[in-house]
Amino acid sequence: NAGVTQTPKFRILKIGQSMTLQCTQDMNHNYMYWYRQDPGMGLKLIYYSVGAGITDKGEVPNGYNVSRSTTEDFPLRLELAAPSQTSVYFCASSSLNSNQPQHFGDGTRLSIL
Amino acid sequence: AQSVTQPDIHITVSEGASLELRCNYSYGATPYLFWYVQSPGQGLQLLLKYFSGDTLVQGIKGFEAEFKRSQSSFNLRKPSVHWSDAAEYFCAVSDQTGANNLFFGTGTRLTVIP
Repeated sequence: NAGVTQTPKFRILKIGQSMTLQCTQDMNHNYMYWYRQDPGMGLKLIYYSVGAGITDKGEVPNGYNVSRSTTEDFPLRLELAAPSQTSVYFCASSSLNSNQPQHFGDGTRLSIL
Repeated sequence: AQSVTQPDIHITVSEGASLELRCNYSYGATPYLFWYVQSPGQGLQLLLKYFSGDTLVQGIKGFEAEFKRSQSSFNLRKPSVHWSDAAEYFCAVSDQTGANNLFFGTGTRLTVIP
């Protein structure tokens, strides 16, 4: 049972480069989320999705884009990487039932130099 | 707006000692509250959750938490800490919208000394 899978686990980017962080879940969850975690801080919500074709902004969406073409996949794209986007990124998913918790991937550690 | 405060950035306890991690929340109605644990290099794992009913909630790994509405608190406790409990602990509150977005505290790092 894989749960939520994130790739890559680590990545170093140069300023101005672009990349896509991949997230896949095999639990048939409708809801998916992207968070960033900065040192000494809790997780901040970047974007979320309530189903295929539907996405919405969270607390800190600037500099990121997402898409949700299938139930399983929720990629996060950085178009012009900036040093401020150096962080650990977590993807999560949950079912429609509001009593169910979010399940998290192991994270992607991204450094922008 | 909802928010979570974890007043303790870092706590050190001896193995076998009891543990209490503090969490205070701000939310207008009855909150949905969670405690997650994060081991180094890992994602977050749910320890326990509170939605309604009994204010003392049992979780995995021997943890429990008590919801106190009068104090806006949801403190995490464990009677006897094990070395493997060393990790980062996060309290979170749901905004109870359609997507049940979570708002996290800044975390408490637990160190366990032998």
